[in-house]
Amino acid sequence: ETGVTQTPRHLVMGMTNKKSLKCEQHLGHNAMYWYKQSAKKPLELMFVYSLEERVENNSVPSRFSPECPNSSHLFLHLHTLQPEDSALYLCASSQPPGTGFNGYTFGSGTRLTVV
Amino acid sequence: AQSVTQPDIHITVSEGASLELRCNYSYGATPYLFWYVQSPGQGLQLLLKYFSGDTLVQGIKGFEAEFKRSQSSFNLRKPSVHWSDAAEYFCAVGAPENAGNMLTFGGGTRLMVKP
Repeated sequence: ETGVTQTPRHLVMGMTNKKSLKCEQHLGHNAMYWYKQSAKKPLELMFVYSLEERVENNSVPSRFSPECPNSSHLFLHLHTLQPEDSALYLCASSQPPGTGFNGYTFGSGTRLTVV
Repeated sequence: AQSVTQPDIHITVSEGASLELRCNYSYGATPYLFWYVQSPGQGLQLLLKYFSGDTLVQGIKGFEAEFKRSQSSFNLRKPSVHWSDAAEYFCAVGAPENAGNMLTFGGGTRLMVKP
C-alpha cells in the first residue's frame, strides 16, 4: 500500500469510448499530478493540481480532461483516444511547494491500451 | 527550464558487485534532486532526495547518492547489489525557483543483475 491508489490497474478501450481513471490519496497531501509513461520515452508531466487548482497543463490534447474535486481525489477523463495514447498513466501526490514539499508519492499506475 | 540525462539505458552487474548509475542535470542553480526506482508493473518509489546541505545523501535499500555541483551530477551508488535490485531507476530534478514540485525525469536506466 503506497498511500496513492489508482483504479483501474488495466484498461482497454476503443477509440470512440469514454472512460475515466481515478486516483485517491490519504496522505494529507495537497498537490496531485498526472504523468504519462510511454515505452522508450521519459515520463511526461500532464497536469498539476495544487490546493485543488490546476497550475500546469503541458499542452496536453483536449481528449484528456482532468478533474480534481478535492485534495484527495484526482480523475483523468478520456474520450476519443488514439492508439498512441496507450501508456502507463501514473498519479502522484505531494505537499505543495513552501509547505514541506518532500518529493512525490506515486500510485501503481493504470495501464491503458487503446484499440 | 531544467533537464536531466541518464546516459546509460541498460546496465548489467553481477550480484554482490558495486553499482553506480549516472545522472546529469541542467539547471542554473542548485536544484532539487531525486532518485526513484520502478519495478515492473509498478509505480515509482522514492529512494533518496537532495535539497541542500550535505552532498552525500543516504536512502533506502542501502543506496546513496552524491551531489557534485561542479559536474552537474547526482550519481546513485550501492556497494553490493542484490538480485532484488533489478528494476528501472529514474533520476529527477525540480527547480526551487519555479515552485520546485514539477519534476522533470530522466529517461531511466534499466538495471539487470546476474547471479
